[in-house]
Amino acid sequence: DIQMTQSPSTLSASVGDRVTITCRASQSLGTWLAWYQQKPGKAPTVLIYKTSSVQRGVPSRFSGSGSGTEFTLTINNVQPDDFATYYCQHYQSYSYTFGQGTKLEIK
Amino acid sequence: EVQMVESGGGLIQPGGSLRLSCAVSGFSVTSKYLSWVRQAPGRGLEWVSVVYSGGGTYYADSVKGRFTLSRDSFKNMLYLQMNSLRADDTAVYYCAREDSVIRAFDLWGQGTVVAVSS
Repeated sequence: DIQMTQSPSTLSASVGDRVTITCRASQSLGTWLAWYQQKPGKAPTVLIYKTSSVQRGVPSRFSGSGSGTEFTLTINNVQPDDFATYYCQHYQSYSYTFGQGTKLEIK
Repeated sequence: EVQMVESGGGLIQPGGSLRLSCAVSGFSVTSKYLSWVRQAPGRGLEWVSVVYSGGGTYYADSVKGRFTLSRDSFKNMLYLQMNSLRADDTAVYYCAREDSVIRAFDLWGQGTVVAVSS
């Protein structure tokens, strides 16, 4: 099974900062890598799909990149609404794997 | 309105059974890929099971042989039958729709809480 490891587990930032979250896979992935945002007590929402495509309605400050075993989510100009937990997720062969999550907190 | 609403959660003793339901509106349960995803208290997301539009079902190893996913096209409902429940099955259970083109979960329910404890 593919393991997905996110880093860091917690990230402290200020409004206006640029932050990057990394997701590393235990083996090379295809392009089916998505990123989600989850706020306390709420269901996740998809931000990025297919590594770098921004979901409709998601602000352009969110971007994704990567290939092989390393993928990143970047948030430019962090806004107060962005403080949440972020998860990467991969699909392969009828199985879905999430990273363990990265909590973005206010510095 | 396009939405998914879970129900059926509760407190159950170890070894017991529970059936979760997910009421789907705005699209047909047979037209989309539908999954159950769970989240243990204070933990991350864990995929549990999926049913594809063609009817094929797949399960995470952690629930294989204990959980059964089914759907009712007439009632437009998704179900998760959970047997032989264990303490580590305690979680919020979400039903989620996967967009077959982008292969990401683009619609989620609000979740239902399952607590397995004696």
